[in-house]
Formats: sequence, C-alpha cells, structure tokens
Amino acid sequence: DAKTTQPPSMDCAEGRAANLPCNHSTISGNEYVYWYRQIHSQGPQYIIHGLKNNETNEMASLIITEDRKSSTLILPHATLRDTAVYYCIVRVAIKGDMRFGAGTRLTVKP
Amino acid sequence: DTEVTQTPKHLVMGMTNKKSLKCEQHMGHRAMYWYKQKAKKPPELMFVYSYEKLSINESVPSRFSPECPNSSLLNLHLHALQPEDSALYLCASSQEFSESPLHFGNGTRLTVT
Repeated sequence: DAKTTQPPSMDCAEGRAANLPCNHSTISGNEYVYWYRQIHSQGPQYIIHGLKNNETNEMASLIITEDRKSSTLILPHATLRDTAVYYCIVRVAIKGDMRFGAGTRLTVKP
Repeated sequence: DTEVTQTPKHLVMGMTNKKSLKCEQHMGHRAMYWYKQKAKKPPELMFVYSYEKLSINESVPSRFSPECPNSSLLNLHLHALQPEDSALYLCASSQEFSESPLHFGNGTRLTVT
C-alpha cells in the first residue's frame, strides 16, 4: 500500500517557485517525511527531510501541515536543471527500509 | 559526483553468465542498500544490510545474491538472470538506522541478453 500520494506530473516556469504537494494522511507519529529527486539516468538525490517543523536548506523548503497529513516541497527559484522526478517518502527512522512511491515528474519550462 | 561509487556503470551479460556488481562508500555508514529500478518506475528495495549483516530481503529471487564483506563494500552477485532482470541497480548507504538520509550511487545499468 502506498504511504504517499503525489500528482504524477507538474509544470513550472523557470525562475518561479515550484510547489510540489504530497499527501501522507496515514503517517505515524514516528515517521519522517523525506524528499528525493532523480534526474534521468542518475541515482536519487536527497533534498530535505522533516518530522514536524518546517525545514529549509540550500536546495529547498519543506512545509509540513500541523496535522502532518500532508507536506509541500518548495523550490524557490526553479531552473531548467530542476527538471526531474520528485519523490516524497515517509519512513520510520529506526527501521531500515526506505520505499519509493510513484513520484511527481516536474518539468521546468523556459 | 556521488560519495557512493558503483562499478561497473554498464554491464551486458548472458543468461548463463555469472557477474558481480560492486558498491563502495567511505562515509563511515553502517547500513547499505540495494535497489532495482525498471524504466519509468520508482526504485524498488531489494536488500538492506546493517553492520554487515543482512537485515531485510524483500523476497528477491536467489539468482541475486548480496554480500557485504566489510562496512565499506557491498556486492551483488548475479547468476542465471533473465532478460526481465534488465534494470538500473542502485546502491545506497546511510548511518545506522536513524533519521539520516540515504546516499545513493548512480547505479549500474544491467542488460541481460
């Protein structure tokens, strides 16, 4: 059973913010939300993760709703190089498994 | 460039061949992972090692045999594969099971003829 639901595809204009939603309505209290992206023919690249609070790093911001049932990954100024498949994953930190859902294919257009 | 190195980058093998995929990391991580990714699909977890011991096997056929000879190395031995096993095989590592993220290599593109 999929733990997360993401739109299959999204477009974004270059230079604009890309907001990628993820629904994880059955998330448990000890599950973290992780975001990865995969550019064609490369391995998945870690972007950001969080438990309850919003997080920001040099790549992106992660906004988690107060009830933790959904989150949004924000790429503040999308570039053509941000075109990729973005995966939202929920995972219990002390367990070894990290399982990917179908992801969102983001296309950044000039 | 990634901190997880996989070799070879590409491999073509026949169904009767025996080959091995290799993965190496020098980040001091104690958990290592194998994933299989078919075209246009997400990565699928195959095996997880923790402190050089197999902790998760996702019911992978025995023609795939993982090995973790030390904390820096992870191998995947292949024997009698089928054409449908053609895929991108990804290795990842992480600190022992914690919130720290997985770091992935760029994979080995395997073609079985």
